[in-house]
Amino acid sequence: GAVVSQHPSWVICKSGTSVKIECRSLDFQATTMFWYRQFPKQSLMLMATSNEGSKATYEQGVEKDKFLINHASLTLSTLTVTSAHPEDSSFYICSANSPGRGTDTQYFGPGTRLTVL
Amino acid sequence: KQEVTQIPAALSVPEGENLVLNCSFTDSAIYNLQWFRQDPGKGLTSLLLIQSSQREQTSGRLNASLDKSSGRSTLYIAASQPGDSATYLCAVETSGSRLTFGEGTQLTVNP
Repeated sequence: GAVVSQHPSWVICKSGTSVKIECRSLDFQATTMFWYRQFPKQSLMLMATSNEGSKATYEQGVEKDKFLINHASLTLSTLTVTSAHPEDSSFYICSANSPGRGTDTQYFGPGTRLTVL
Repeated sequence: KQEVTQIPAALSVPEGENLVLNCSFTDSAIYNLQWFRQDPGKGLTSLLLIQSSQREQTSGRLNASLDKSSGRSTLYIAASQPGDSATYLCAVETSGSRLTFGEGTQLTVNP
């Protein structure tokens, strides 16, 4: 149990376009989802925390108008990179947890590789 | 601000060797500490989670310890295998379920 999926697994887009990444909890309801970004040979940096039905909380330095997060249901959160530029090329990973499962564990998705040309 | 440091950044060992990865964190007010494995271009696999009240956790050939007061954790891997080659990340959880990650140790186990 506790599977988190991401779609797409990789995407290549032109500079200036927008890209949407989906994060789904397949077998549990995720009250909270997290979005991370990982640059090559670096660690994961938390971008934002989203709770179902409310606005996301962004980390300092993360542009909320550029990285739009929607958590419309207990099993789906989306991250939209608007007007993407080459510097947005990165590995984006989501995670989800549900306190009701009686555990603090966050379950991570497999990641989405974004390349902006 | 919580900061997590992992030493060494990279490690190369022959197969069969026992090894220790180190993780330190600056703020001891944590809920738990986790060790993850990440294969190239892949997501994270949780290996061990130690609650703040615990001292260690074991899973198979892996043993993780936690000294919360000194801000340190170690991951011990016994009898290493080439399949253990990956990047190992430690992360501490603070308020709001926020995870702060270290930069990882890239492990290579040579046959």
